[in-house]
Amino acid sequence: EVQLVESGGGLVQPGGSLRLSCATSGFSFRTHVMTWVRQAPGRGLEWVSGISSVESTYYADSVKGRFTISRDNSKNTVYLYMNSLRAEDTAIYYCAKQPITDIYFDYWGQGTLVTVSS
Amino acid sequence: DIQMTQSPFTLSASVGDRVTITCRASQRISSWLAWYQQKPGKAPKLLIYRASTLESGVPSRFSGSGSGAEFTLTINSLQPDDFATYYCQQYTSHPLTFGQGTKVEIK
Repeated sequence: EVQLVESGGGLVQPGGSLRLSCATSGFSFRTHVMTWVRQAPGRGLEWVSGISSVESTYYADSVKGRFTISRDNSKNTVYLYMNSLRAEDTAIYYCAKQPITDIYFDYWGQGTLVTVSS
Repeated sequence: DIQMTQSPFTLSASVGDRVTITCRASQRISSWLAWYQQKPGKAPKLLIYRASTLESGVPSRFSGSGSGAEFTLTINSLQPDDFATYYCQQYTSHPLTFGQGTKVEIK
């Protein structure tokens, strides 16, 4: 059974930093693109970042230069390092897996809430 | 960036109804389109990929069609479990983008 479990969310002040983790199991982690998608309260879905099996990285313009995605294939875990956080980064952050052949999202974690507020 | 526009924003329907949601892309995306269902407080769930391929385990009352820039999600014989918000997503190029969502409500 594929499982993705996010952690690391919480309350942080504007300008602060946070690291999200997504621990996975049930599939061959090292062969799949892993992504982060967020959803602000009451809003729609926004793709944030992705990392390929060869560690190519992709970012939305809204987070480029502030967020860094990485992966540890030995731990089947993907990370999102978030710096210079802003109020508009407040959202539920979902970790999502992509299938090998396409770049939609076939499995999602339950999400972790990040609140940026003073 | 490719903009995805869904219509309607909200849809009121009854159990047993046939409902159709439309998704338009700002440029042609071939068939690189997925549909997701999201219930309150839950993560999205994949329903359809490549515009019309049903994900394993998804009931056959869900179907997708279209190619190029216009797509539809159809739910035949709406069931109580189907009241949710539905999103389309293009995956022809980064940044990956979603429609704004269509909420299917009970009439």
